[in-house]
Amino acid sequence: QVQLVQSGAEVKKPGSSVKVSCKASGGTFSSYTISWVRQAPGQGLEWMGRIIPILGIANYAQKFQGRVTITADKSTSTAYMELSSLRSEDTAVYYCAAMVTSGFDYWGQGTLVTVSS
Amino acid sequence: EIVLTQSPGTLSLSPGERATLSCRASQSVSSSYLAWYQQKPGQAPRLLIYGASSRATGIPDRFSGSGSGTDFTLTISRLEPEDFAVYYCQQYGSSGTFGQGTKVEIK
Repeated sequence: QVQLVQSGAEVKKPGSSVKVSCKASGGTFSSYTISWVRQAPGQGLEWMGRIIPILGIANYAQKFQGRVTITADKSTSTAYMELSSLRSEDTAVYYCAAMVTSGFDYWGQGTLVTVSS
Repeated sequence: EIVLTQSPGTLSLSPGERATLSCRASQSVSSSYLAWYQQKPGQAPRLLIYGASSRATGIPDRFSGSGSGTDFTLTISRLEPEDFAVYYCQQYGSSGTFGQGTKVEIK
């Protein structure tokens, strides 16, 4: 059984950056893919990108290219998502999700990021 | 990038009725990488179906998925009170695109 525990809520100023962590326990961290998905208030799910920890390779949704960086630390079984040049439209709940068998079968609890001046 | 379009936007049904949700892709999607999720307010999404038709662990058999190519369907055979929620389809092959969601509400 995999558990994903995310860092706490953040309040950021426009133009700044935020870094959210996702610590995994159970399973073999390096062997599964971690994705980041966000959900703006009252809106749907939006995939941002993913990383395969064993390879250290990340790929990103076109919309976020150049503004998001996803990394993974195998020594601590933790994935990170950093989003820069924040604007009010980035206010959302950010989720990490693991693809262990197939589909995104495990999800973190979500991290609310509020961008406000 | 593949665009997924779900219909209808909202489905108003009564408990015990059958729900049929549609997901159409802008280009062919490998069935191996088509999933459905359920999300309730204030909760993270929950995986229901992967590989277009395989139920995830612990998912009741009233949920079924079908389809191939560009057209996929999630069917809930008899709605239980806990099934009223928002449902998303997703392709997770080349990227991880989600559809915009279908809300199943109580009539």
